[in-house]
Amino acid sequence: AQTVTQSQPEMSVQEAETVTLSCTYDTSENNYYLFWYKQPPSRQMILVIRQEAYKQQNATENRFSVNFQKAAKSFSLKISDSQLGDTAMYFCAFSRVNDMRFGAGTRLTVKP
Amino acid sequence: KAGVTQTPRYLIKTRGQQVTLSCSPISGHRSVSWYQQTPGQGLQFLFEYFSETQRNKGNFPGRFSGRQFSNSRSEMNVSTLELGDSALYLCASSLDLAERTDTQYFGPGTRLTVL
Repeated sequence: AQTVTQSQPEMSVQEAETVTLSCTYDTSENNYYLFWYKQPPSRQMILVIRQEAYKQQNATENRFSVNFQKAAKSFSLKISDSQLGDTAMYFCAFSRVNDMRFGAGTRLTVKP
Repeated sequence: KAGVTQTPRYLIKTRGQQVTLSCSPISGHRSVSWYQQTPGQGLQFLFEYFSETQRNKGNFPGRFSGRQFSNSRSEMNVSTLELGDSALYLCASSLDLAERTDTQYFGPGTRLTVL
């Protein structure tokens, strides 16, 4: 079974600084997708970024980028120029055919 | 396009009762998945429906069931409610979760409180 581990339950960062959230996963599969989802307080979960395992190039979406290390089964999220609106729970997720697994989440607080 | 909608948004029930939650996916999406989110257990997968068929199921007791209609709308039912069923129930839709290029879009959730 696929498992997803987020080892940092809580993190904080100063506004405008950079922060990296960690995620590791365990799978014996070669083709899969990885996602980072953001869930702001009392608001809807939204997709931040996704990465296809067959692509070596790291995905980037504006201030959000990932460091995907397939051999190490690591998928970290870097948030640059952190903003107060980035305060949220961040979930790492692994997806294969018909199956999606989430990590326990990292609560990120951006401080002014 | 309208996003994923879930009704009701909040629900209070007592132990032993049953409850039905509803999810309307994004137009054109055929896959609907349900998740239970609690502070202690995080996000746990309940089941996934595609074209009115349950295609995948998580590790939950038989009290949790669901169905999907021909218009892709989905309902989940929890019978004989227990205190531990108190949670945020999230619905997510995608074109087809079996397609590796697909992405799930989440609804706002239904917060169920069991007293």
